[in-house]
Amino acid sequence: NAGVTQTPKFRILKIGQSMTLQCTQDMNHNYMYWYRQDPGMGLKLIYYSVGAGITDKGEVPNGYNVSRSTTEDFPLRLELAAPSQTSVYFCASKNRYVTGELFFGEGSRLTVL
Amino acid sequence: ILNVEQSPQSLHVQEGDSTNFTCSFPSSNFYALHWYRWETAKSPEALFVMTLNGDEKKKGRISATLNTKEGYSYLYIKGSQPEDSATYLCAVTNTNAGKSTFGDGTTLTVKP
Repeated sequence: NAGVTQTPKFRILKIGQSMTLQCTQDMNHNYMYWYRQDPGMGLKLIYYSVGAGITDKGEVPNGYNVSRSTTEDFPLRLELAAPSQTSVYFCASKNRYVTGELFFGEGSRLTVL
Repeated sequence: ILNVEQSPQSLHVQEGDSTNFTCSFPSSNFYALHWYRWETAKSPEALFVMTLNGDEKKKGRISATLNTKEGYSYLYIKGSQPEDSATYLCAVTNTNAGKSTFGDGTTLTVKP
């Protein structure tokens, strides 16, 4: 049971570099999410998707882009990395029901120097 | 942006103590509330989901209640054990678009 898989687990970027965090799920979930977690804070929603071809902004979308070409994959792209994007990123998925719980990946720790 | 508040921010208790945390949220347009348990170096895992006013859920020594009219949920842990040490998050869904807002969490440390 793979669940939600995100890569890489760790990455160090220089200011201005770009990168993509990969996320894939094998539970046939319609909804997928990207969150970031800063020290002492909860999870802030960056982007989410309710199905292939549909994405929408969350609370903190600036500096990020997403795409959802398939049900399984939901990559997060960081353009022109900034120190403020140093964080732990979590991908999550759920079924289409309001009561459905989120299933999280293991997280990706990103440091921008 | 939905404002979800959790208190206290952190809690230190002795093994065997019982404890409780609070999650507060706007009572309008409420759809569901989830409690998650988040252990260090792991990912959050769901404990409970509640949707109706007066809902009560229980799993072992952990239980939760929901009051949607006044906008709060309590999580109770009876006889805390060191393995209960974790951050407990609540997440509130106030739309049918599947988007939840998380509180900042309550971090529980149980000392042996």
